[in-house]
Order: sequence, then C-alpha cells, then structure tokens
Amino acid sequence: RKEVEQDPGPFNVPEGATVAFNCTYSNSASQSFFWYRQDCRKEPKLLMSVYSSGNEDGRFTAQLNRASQYISLLIRDSKLSDSATYLCVVNSPAGFQKLVFGTGTRLLVSP
Amino acid sequence: DAGVIQSPRHEVTEMGQEVTLRCKLISGHNSLFWYRQTMMRGLELLIYFNNNVPIDDSGMPEDRFSAKMPNASFSTLKIQPSEPRDSAVYFCASSDQGGSTDTQYFGPGTRLTVL
Repeated sequence: RKEVEQDPGPFNVPEGATVAFNCTYSNSASQSFFWYRQDCRKEPKLLMSVYSSGNEDGRFTAQLNRASQYISLLIRDSKLSDSATYLCVVNSPAGFQKLVFGTGTRLLVSP
Repeated sequence: DAGVIQSPRHEVTEMGQEVTLRCKLISGHNSLFWYRQTMMRGLELLIYFNNNVPIDDSGMPEDRFSAKMPNASFSTLKIQPSEPRDSAVYFCASSDQGGSTDTQYFGPGTRLTVL
C-alpha cells in the first residue's frame, strides 16, 4: 500500500465550478500535511499547509480528518489558471521533515 | 532573493556515461533534499542533507548514485554509469529546518534523458 494515495484524475471542470480532491495516508503517526501545486514541466510549489482545524486561503479550503486518515482540498470558483497537478504531501516521522508525496491529481479547468 | 538554482536544466547522455547534476541552496537554508520524479513512481526522495551532513540516503537507488555537499550552499548528484532507467526529472529542494517554517522550496529541476 502506498503511503499517500490520490485519484490521478484528470478532473475536467468548467470555469466557476467547485471541485474537491481527497487523499489518504497510511502512517497514523504523521503530523504535518500539505498540498503542493505542480504546473506542467515545472517544480512543485507549496499551495497550503493543512491544519487539524482546517484552513482556508481565498478560494482554497483544506481539511484534515485524522480518524479516517484523509486530507481534502476544495477549490471554489475555479479559474483557468487553477489547471495543474495537485500533490498531497504528508510528513513521514523519521526525525526530520521527510515528506512523502502522492502522485498527484490533475485538474483541467476549461472555459 | 534567488531561489534554488539547478544546472543543467536539460541533459541528454548515452548509457554508460557519467552525469553530474548541481544544486545551489537558498541562502541561509540548512537542509537539502534530492528528489527524482517519473510518471510511474511520482516524486521520490533520494537523499537528505542537514548542515552538510547526509542524514538519510535510503532512497538512493543503488551504488551508481552518489551525492555530496562540499559546502553549505552547494550539492552535486552524480550517476556513474548512467542507464536508460535513470531518465527522469531530478529536483533539489532546500529548507530551513528548525526555522520559523521548514517549507521545502524546489529548484526548477534537471530533465535527464539517458539513451
């Protein structure tokens, strides 16, 4: 079983739609959770951290469910520029900030 | 401020040749991570350095791969001899472990093709 699992997609949505991605992780000792965004042929960039209480950054909302070991990302009012691959990232308790990346969910927003 | 710098951006080589990838950390950061990304396996951590010391190299595929950090701001990843299955995008990332945030910042990557 992979440490971090995501639906690869692609998710095809029209502009203005709301879309949600989920991700599950296997290590119950993980303490830090993130969503990274990766554009085609570019490097991953931190989109947002995910806190136990949930957090929101503009149109983006991240939630953590520790009991079920899943993380979600909600994007409201999708823009064309949101088209990218979204990587779910979990720290692996190894004494340092070792991050384990999911293989990503691809989002395509169309006009 | 300059971000993480990697060179070369693209490398095409023939099987059996030595390949050296280079990375310059963000000034003031103390940790460096080398990753490899392929379609099949996604992003995998190869090796992690903290304060120039290799802490975890469990992700290094085999003895053909070696990494060094000769000073606080620079690292190399060497593949000798290279094989076609090494074709991938290699990223390095730096962070300030123990600082106010230990976010990892990625360089633009080196796209390696081994023929």
